[in-house]
Amino acid sequence: GAGVSQSPSNKVTEKGKDVELRCDPISGHTALYWYRQSLGQGLEFLIYFQGNSAPDKSGLPSDRFSAERTGGSVSTLTIQRTQQEDSAVYLCASSFVRLSYFEAFFGQGTRLTVV
Amino acid sequence: DAKTTQPNSMESNEEEPVHLPCNHSTISGTDYIHWYRQLPSQGPEYVIHGLTSNVNNRMASLAIAEDRKSSTLILHRATLRDAAVYYCILRGSNAGGTSYGKLTFGQGTILTVHP
Repeated sequence: GAGVSQSPSNKVTEKGKDVELRCDPISGHTALYWYRQSLGQGLEFLIYFQGNSAPDKSGLPSDRFSAERTGGSVSTLTIQRTQQEDSAVYLCASSFVRLSYFEAFFGQGTRLTVV
Repeated sequence: DAKTTQPNSMESNEEEPVHLPCNHSTISGTDYIHWYRQLPSQGPEYVIHGLTSNVNNRMASLAIAEDRKSSTLILHRATLRDAAVYYCILRGSNAGGTSYGKLTFGQGTILTVHP
């Protein structure tokens, strides 16, 4: 399809394990965002890419979280030594970024459960 | 980042208009006003955005105050499918700044539509 694709859709992991979450943005979109949403909560900004660089990493909750983007396309969010409080839905979005045109398209998210 | 303030919740009856307010008193001259909504169990979706003038599209209208310190999203005839969390967001347009293109979500307004 032509939308933002995230994988896996669901992930159950044991506390202390590392996980990788993948986001395939819409082709040609220069901006890519990661958010997380805990049950019943709003969207928490994690990181934002413009091309392959991340001008804003301010939302990453700890040094256990990292993200990269390669080729201006696919992005991976890595959580090391997962904790139970990391359980949430992780959402990715992509967009063009132009002065007057801006619409971010979101994927369906990865539901992460740390047991 | 400039902040927005929205009511926690609002209710409407089906087929009636809904006016969702948003205050953004610290908005800068280059910030665009965006609205997104999140239906249950889905990622957010774009609704509308504007800078100074009122905007209309197939989903909604956006009325922006003359001083730009507030705005109102207008759903002309609410349907049950419009029940969602509505987010009012300011997006920086200063190219090269760290906030350029960044979307920061607040808590939003939970809209309930009664049949």
